[in-house]
Amino acid sequence: GQQVMQIPQYQHVQEGEDFTTYCNSSTTLSNIQWYKQRPGGHPVFLIQLVKSGEVKKQKRLTFQFGEAKKNSSLHITATQTTDVGTYFCAGLDKGQAGTALIFGKGTTLSVSS
Amino acid sequence: EPEVTQTPSHQVTQMGQEVILRCVPISNHLYFYWYRQILGQKVEFLVSFYNNEISEKSEIFDDQFSVERPDGSNFTLKIRSTKLEDSAMYFCASSGQYFEQYFGPGTRLTVT
Repeated sequence: GQQVMQIPQYQHVQEGEDFTTYCNSSTTLSNIQWYKQRPGGHPVFLIQLVKSGEVKKQKRLTFQFGEAKKNSSLHITATQTTDVGTYFCAGLDKGQAGTALIFGKGTTLSVSS
Repeated sequence: EPEVTQTPSHQVTQMGQEVILRCVPISNHLYFYWYRQILGQKVEFLVSFYNNEISEKSEIFDDQFSVERPDGSNFTLKIRSTKLEDSAMYFCASSGQYFEQYFGPGTRLTVT
């Protein structure tokens, strides 16, 4: 079945440093979504990318969708302590009915001040 | 801001017992989902529900699981005979036509 892989699994940065997490799918995706989960919390929707090569920005967060629609990245510029949490990518498989989101294992970000 | 709600927040049950987890999705959403997350692991898709029927289900969603939308607001997940390995956080989510999913706070299920 479809697999979504995410690296790194953990990342520790000093406040102010940049952070990037990468996501790769074994199959072509119809779209990719990114979620953030704070410790003890639930996943919170961040963004959805649909088009090949799409780039979207939300303040210090930049999301990219690869040309082949099989990979994606999230980049955070100048991290803050509020960025702490686990970032998950999740893909909708192009070949399925289009309702099953397959999550990566997530990248857990810790930030020290 | 509308949100997904789930009850109970924590459920403790004995192995072999039936449990029903309840969710109230966002009112104008069309798609409803259940996910589970074993402590420290990734979020796993269980089932999606649209137009009063299951749209997709994963391998995890075997005959022990069922979902229902008994009225216009609730969406339930039933586990018929719980096993120790069913212990996890269960998240309900709902989405509109663009499939961006809004998660509830979760129900922590502990099977003893």
